[in-house]
Amino acid sequence: TQLLEQSPQFLSIQEGENLTVYCNSSSVFSSLQWYRQEPGEGPVLLVTVVTGGEVKKLKRLTFQFGDARKDSSLHITAAQPGDTGLYLCAEAGSYQLTFGKGTKLSVIP
Amino acid sequence: DTEVTQTPKHLVMGMTNKKSLKCEQHMGHRAMYWYKQKAKKPPELMFVYSYEKLSINESVPSRFSPECPNSSLLNLHLHALQPEDSALYLCASSQDSSGIYEQFFGPGTRLTVL
Repeated sequence: TQLLEQSPQFLSIQEGENLTVYCNSSSVFSSLQWYRQEPGEGPVLLVTVVTGGEVKKLKRLTFQFGDARKDSSLHITAAQPGDTGLYLCAEAGSYQLTFGKGTKLSVIP
Repeated sequence: DTEVTQTPKHLVMGMTNKKSLKCEQHMGHRAMYWYKQKAKKPPELMFVYSYEKLSINESVPSRFSPECPNSSLLNLHLHALQPEDSALYLCASSQDSSGIYEQFFGPGTRLTVL
């Protein structure tokens, strides 16, 4: 089981600012998923990236998968209070997801 | 229907109680999972059911007993829990357990053990 490092661990920004969070591994990902989890709720899948160099966009969220498939980033443009939550990256291995520790994002109105 | 439902949403129980958590999905998924999530931590896998058979038990204490009555339902029976078992218990499902398919999570049951 590989370790997924997420950074930063905590991020507090003002509404309207841009931000980037990162997910890194010492090993190659087979595929990588990003989830957002709000307090007291289950994680909600945002995107799955599979191909090295892949870029996917979901409204104001841009997901990049590194060419070597060992790192990924999530960029949010013009953050809104509704973006507040725990952002988790996870590798989908055989039988299970391996989660990073997450980035807790707070967007202040 | 792309929803995983869990009941109850909140549960408070004493250390001598017996209770059950329930999870249901109607997406035709053949793999179902139980995760435990402590505050400010990522979810940790507890059990995996594949085609209604237990395929993974991540060394979970026997006071947690999973059951899969049919392909749509997953239960977690709780008995003689400890206060440190207080956590958010998440159920998830996927098309199968190969790791190729995405997992869909329920909203969780917030368990407090007194």
